[in-house]
Amino acid sequence: NAGVTQTPKFQVLKTGQSMTLQCAQDMNHNSMYWYRQDPGMGLRLIYYSASEGTTDKGEVPNGYNVSRLNKREFSLRLESAAPSQTSVYFCASSEGGTNTDTQYFGPGTRLTVL
Amino acid sequence: DQQVKQNSPSLSVQEGRISILNCDYTNSMFDYFLWYKKYPAEGPTFLISISSIKDKNEDGRFTVFLNKSAKHLSLHIVPSQPGDSAVYFCAVNNQAGTALIFGKGTTLSVSS
Repeated sequence: NAGVTQTPKFQVLKTGQSMTLQCAQDMNHNSMYWYRQDPGMGLRLIYYSASEGTTDKGEVPNGYNVSRLNKREFSLRLESAAPSQTSVYFCASSEGGTNTDTQYFGPGTRLTVL
Repeated sequence: DQQVKQNSPSLSVQEGRISILNCDYTNSMFDYFLWYKKYPAEGPTFLISISSIKDKNEDGRFTVFLNKSAKHLSLHIVPSQPGDSAVYFCAVNNQAGTALIFGKGTTLSVSS
């Protein structure tokens, strides 16, 4: 049981390049999330998917797109990377549907944009 | 404008003593609170939670206390161990249950 997995673990991009961060969970969870963490900050929500087939913006969605490919997979795409998107990105999943939900996190992707 | 505040960026404690990490929140409608622990280069790990219908929840060495009138919660670790050294995040579930709102974290260092 791997929980939440993320690829890649590290990535360096040049300004303007694009890339997709992959996330998969094997807990049969309905909801999935993408967060970013910047130095000295808590995690901030980028996008979430409450269930397969739906996605919604979080607190900091600008410059990102997401795809809920199926129940297991939720990807985050940067179409034209900017230095301000240098961050650590975490994917999470939860059963969803209640406000007593507990989210479980992947190990993170450390992204540097030059 | 921070909805969840952890005002102490760091805390140093000796092994065997109590660690107390604090968290304040602004919205009295929040009703489910969580603590996550994070080691370097890893994702946050769920530690303990508490619902607003309770004022205390205990799990082994970890106890979370909730003071709704003060909009304050705290995490007690007794006894503290060197392996507890990590960043601790306080989080609340938004009322729709669609997102966690995190504090900035407190770095706990437990020395032997």
